[in-house]
Amino acid sequence: EAGVVQSPRYKIIEKKQPVAFWCNPISGHNTLYWYLQNLGQGPELLIRYENEEAVDDSQLPKDRFSAERLKGVDSTLKIQPAELGDSAVYLCASSSTRLAGGGSNEQFFGPGTRLTVL
Amino acid sequence: SQQGEEDPQALSIQEGENATMNCSYKTSINNLQWYRQNSGRGLVHLILIRSNEREKHSGRLRVTLDTSKKSSSLLITASRAADTASYFCAGGGFQKLVFGTGTRLLVSP
Repeated sequence: EAGVVQSPRYKIIEKKQPVAFWCNPISGHNTLYWYLQNLGQGPELLIRYENEEAVDDSQLPKDRFSAERLKGVDSTLKIQPAELGDSAVYLCASSSTRLAGGGSNEQFFGPGTRLTVL
Repeated sequence: SQQGEEDPQALSIQEGENATMNCSYKTSINNLQWYRQNSGRGLVHLILIRSNEREKHSGRLRVTLDTSKKSSSLLITASRAADTASYFCAGGGFQKLVFGTGTRLLVSP
């Protein structure tokens, strides 16, 4: 079974330029997550999708970040314009139906996209 | 925002020794999960312990959970060089995970 696929793996851009990341989750996983991970820190949730609906985007800086998950499968995360502070690793994860009782299920992570903003 | 702190931030041991990492979390949880991250890669799920469980084993891993103290520990027994990685706890609250800051483990041959 293929894992979560992300592209590109690395991206270097100048500040104020736009950038987009792509994620293909594990087949059949209805929940998709985008995380931001700064160096030496744990991942922080940006947005969570249930099928094609963004059900938690409270941590997404909506002035410059946007995301979409068309047809409830692949997803893209966009930054426009990028700032120096956006340099980080952007992780995509997916999971299947939640555990009974509302607890979050095991999440499967992609390798991430390392973004460097110059 | 991060779920909480992990202790120690970094741990260096020799192969064959045991490694213990501790995690404290802030909010109520339904379960507590541990993940491993090798350098430059995504996270890999290791083990999940539910809020009504106190201890769980999986191979060389032993996890404990104390909900009264909002803390968990991960024990890796008979460590190997391949265990070198960063380890993160994550509080499984309602429909999402909130990760800790991680412990960097170095196992020397």
